[in-house]
Amino acid sequence: IAGITQAPTSQILAAGRRMTLRCTQDMRHNAMYWYRQDLGLGLRLIHYSNTAGTTGKGEVPDGYSVSRANTDDFPLTLASAVPSQTSVYFCASRRTGGDTGELFFGEGSRLTVL
Amino acid sequence: GQNIDQPTEMTATEGAIVQINCTYQTSGFNGLFWYQQHAGEAPTFLSYNVLDGLEEKGRFSSFLSRSKGYSYLLLKELQMKDSASYLCAVADSNYQLIWGAGTKLIIKP
Repeated sequence: IAGITQAPTSQILAAGRRMTLRCTQDMRHNAMYWYRQDLGLGLRLIHYSNTAGTTGKGEVPDGYSVSRANTDDFPLTLASAVPSQTSVYFCASRRTGGDTGELFFGEGSRLTVL
Repeated sequence: GQNIDQPTEMTATEGAIVQINCTYQTSGFNGLFWYQQHAGEAPTFLSYNVLDGLEEKGRFSSFLSRSKGYSYLLLKELQMKDSASYLCAVADSNYQLIWGAGTKLIIKP
C-alpha cells in the first residue's frame, strides 16, 4: 500500500543525545515536510523540501536539521536533544510544493526527551 | 502575523448537525483545508476550498468566505466515529500551510 512510513513510532531519549527520525514515501511526491504537534498548538512546520536536493526552514527549525538526498527519504535529525523537543512529529508529503494538493501524513513519531 | 482561530472543543449529539468555525488572517491565500485527526493518529484530508461558497461531500460540507476570512465545516447525521479533532489550515502566498490548533469534537449518544 502506497504511503508514508515513519520510524521509530515512539522513542524515549536522554537530553543531549543525537536522534534521527526516518521518513520514507513511495508516492513519488516531490514535496516533503516535517511538523511537530504539541497540545493546544497547531501543527508547526520544522523543515520542508520542495524537491530532492533542496531544503528550507519552516516556523520552528532551531535544533533540527534535514536532508533530501533522493525523492523518497526525508530524515529529521536532532543534533543534541532537549526536553522542549518532546513532541509528536509528523512527516508529510504532497505531489508538489507549489500547489494546493492534499497533504499525506505518516503515522507520527512520539518523542520524549528526559 | 498569521493566525488561524477555531474553537478548542465542541460537544454534539449522535444524529445531530454540528458546525465548526474557522477564522483566519494570513499573508496571502491559496486555499483552505479541513483535516480530521482521531486521537493518536495522523491527520487525514477532508476538504479544500479556494473559491467562496459551499462544497458538499457526503455528510460533510465546507464553506468559505474569503472577504470575511471565514470558513466552517458542517457535519450532518453525526456518528460516534466522528469524534475527533478537526484541523483548519490555510495555504499562504508561498503555499505553506498555516494550521489552527484544532477543534476537539465530542459526540454523545
